[in-house]
Amino acid sequence: AQTVTQSQPEMSVQEAETVTLSCTYDTSESDYYLFWYKQPPSRQMILVIRQEAYKQQNATENRFSVNFQKAAKSFSLKISDSQLGDAAMYFCAPTEQGAQKLVFGQGTRLTINP
Amino acid sequence: GAGVSQSPRYKVAKRGQDVALRCDPISGHVSLFWYQQALGQGPEFLTYFQNEAQLDKSGLPSDRFFAERPEGSVSTLKIQRTQQEDSAVYLCASRPTVIQETQYFGPGTRLLVL
Repeated sequence: AQTVTQSQPEMSVQEAETVTLSCTYDTSESDYYLFWYKQPPSRQMILVIRQEAYKQQNATENRFSVNFQKAAKSFSLKISDSQLGDAAMYFCAPTEQGAQKLVFGQGTRLTINP
Repeated sequence: GAGVSQSPRYKVAKRGQDVALRCDPISGHVSLFWYQQALGQGPEFLTYFQNEAQLDKSGLPSDRFFAERPEGSVSTLKIQRTQQEDSAVYLCASRPTVIQETQYFGPGTRLLVL
């Protein structure tokens, strides 16, 4: 089974600064998707950004962007101009078995300091 | 439109009781997933439906866990003879089609077994 590693259990950043959350995985599949989800204290899992593994171009979504290194199996999330509302647990999740399920990392708790 | 809904939001059960957790996916979504999230951990896959067919139940931890989606819409996760280790948040997610698209999550049901 695939393992997803988020090596930073906690991160903190000053409001308006930039922060990068790291993620590595070990899939044996050639075609898959990768997602970053955020989970605020309310527990609702919210999609932040997604990346198709066959695309070389890194995905961006407003203040959120990824650095996808397929050969290194690395998928980091960069948050620019951090806002208080960005505070949450962030989970990296590649798909597995023909994209029929997500495999989640342990999460990174992001704190935004005003 | 309405998102994924789950009920109840909280459930307290005595050890040995049976519980049933309900998931209402986004209307028209073909795929439905159940995940279990222990405290402080990332979600772990339990089972997957495509319409009414349960195509993958490899993540169900024991034969006390049973899921169904008889009409291809609402799904129920049933846990028989609950144990303390079943205490967790149970997340439901739905996806529009069977191809590799985003899963949309519900708010989860927090189960506490005493």
